[in-house]
Amino acid sequence: KAGVTQTPRYLIKTRGQQVTLSCSPISGHRSVSWYQQTPGQGLQFLFEYFSETQRNKGNFPGRFSGRQFSNSRSEMNVSTLELGDSALYLCASSLVVGVNSGNTIYFGEGSWLTVV
Amino acid sequence: GNSVTQMEGPVTLSEEAFLTINCTYTATGYPSLFWYVQYPGEGLQLLLKATKADDKGSNKGFEATYRKETTSFHLEKGSVQVSDSAVYFCALSASNTGNQFYFGTGTSLTVIP
Repeated sequence: KAGVTQTPRYLIKTRGQQVTLSCSPISGHRSVSWYQQTPGQGLQFLFEYFSETQRNKGNFPGRFSGRQFSNSRSEMNVSTLELGDSALYLCASSLVVGVNSGNTIYFGEGSWLTVV
Repeated sequence: GNSVTQMEGPVTLSEEAFLTINCTYTATGYPSLFWYVQYPGEGLQLLLKATKADDKGSNKGFEATYRKETTSFHLEKGSVQVSDSAVYFCALSASNTGNQFYFGTGTSLTVIP
């Protein structure tokens, strides 16, 4: 069974540009969430999608946005890139979404974004 | 609110040494607790989890017990190997936040032969 697939794996962008990252969840998983990982801030939750709807959002500016398609694939977009947006962006998928915790999330290998 | 506090690293151990990585949490509701491991250049992999108080999660020789009275979920392994060298993250998923996870800062472990 294929895992979570993220593309591209590595990219370099210039300040002010925008970037789109893609995530294909594990087959059958309908929940997709995104995290930003940096040495200074660690792992921070960006947002979660289920059935094409954003269910939850972390404390990030509006420049960070996402969406989910009917096949559960997800994209996130960062506009007007800043140097501080350089990070590893991780996508995770989960089989179940519900009010009960305990659902395991499975991570992709991430997309390394460098802003210069 | 929800948060995880994890032992600062880095930790360096000799092969076959005993490992403990401390993790404490603050949560509303009834959280589930997780340990994830990240190898260089890779994403996070689930190591083990526990979903209620007094549950013990275990995998690949690693263990952690969900202690509600001390709000802790310490990771232990009796005999580490070089291949255990990685960064370990403690995390919680709270009952009122769906699949939003809260992660500790990570503990880097290096095991030397």
